[in-house]
Amino acid sequence: AQSVTQLDSQVPVFEEAPVELRCNYSSSVSVYLFWYVQYPNQGLQLLLKYLSGSTLVKGINGFEAEFNKSQTSFHLRKPSVHISDTAEYFCAVSNSGGYQKVTFGTGTKLQVIP
Amino acid sequence: EAGVAQSPRYKIIEKRQSVAFWCNPISGHATLYWYQQILGQGPKLLIQFQNNGVVDDSQLPKDRFSAERLKGVDSTLKIQPAKLEDSAVYLCASSLDGEGTYNSPLHFGNGTRLTVT
Repeated sequence: AQSVTQLDSQVPVFEEAPVELRCNYSSSVSVYLFWYVQYPNQGLQLLLKYLSGSTLVKGINGFEAEFNKSQTSFHLRKPSVHISDTAEYFCAVSNSGGYQKVTFGTGTKLQVIP
Repeated sequence: EAGVAQSPRYKIIEKRQSVAFWCNPISGHATLYWYQQILGQGPKLLIQFQNNGVVDDSQLPKDRFSAERLKGVDSTLKIQPAKLEDSAVYLCASSLDGEGTYNSPLHFGNGTRLTVT
């Protein structure tokens, strides 16, 4: 079984400040990791994904995430946030055997304060 | 490419009534997912299709929920009878994935917001 934990339900941050959204996962097998963003009244959109290779992954809108196998973490970062980054962010894990099964965390609401 | 289409966007029904949601995935996508997203929670997988076959429906409340994927393309999700706790956003997603491939991200529709009164 696999699971994802996002400890922070809400993260307020001032515009142009850096931000880190935390994600920890649990799985008995190798996994693939994803971050999705959800704007109000919309579906989820892929921000970035880690499949293999370099542990630092760059995504859209200036976001990046670092895979840390020893700490089973995949934290999302952005050095300087904009008002338009206000949204809910979901970390997700996918298994590496059988049919793809994607499990989502409970989400972190990022509120950028002007 | 056209995205995942869902309808309706909003639906309000009374408990014990029935409701159906429709999803048209991205053309060529083999896998189709229905997720339930309750306010304040992450999406929870209800059912997953590979072409027109079900590969995972372990979290689908089968006494009231049903889903089908016609000819491996469009899909409908039905609830009958609805309960108050079914109030949620129902998200449809699709991906290119076939068995043995796990790299394709999910593409989501905008969802259907269901309110059961």
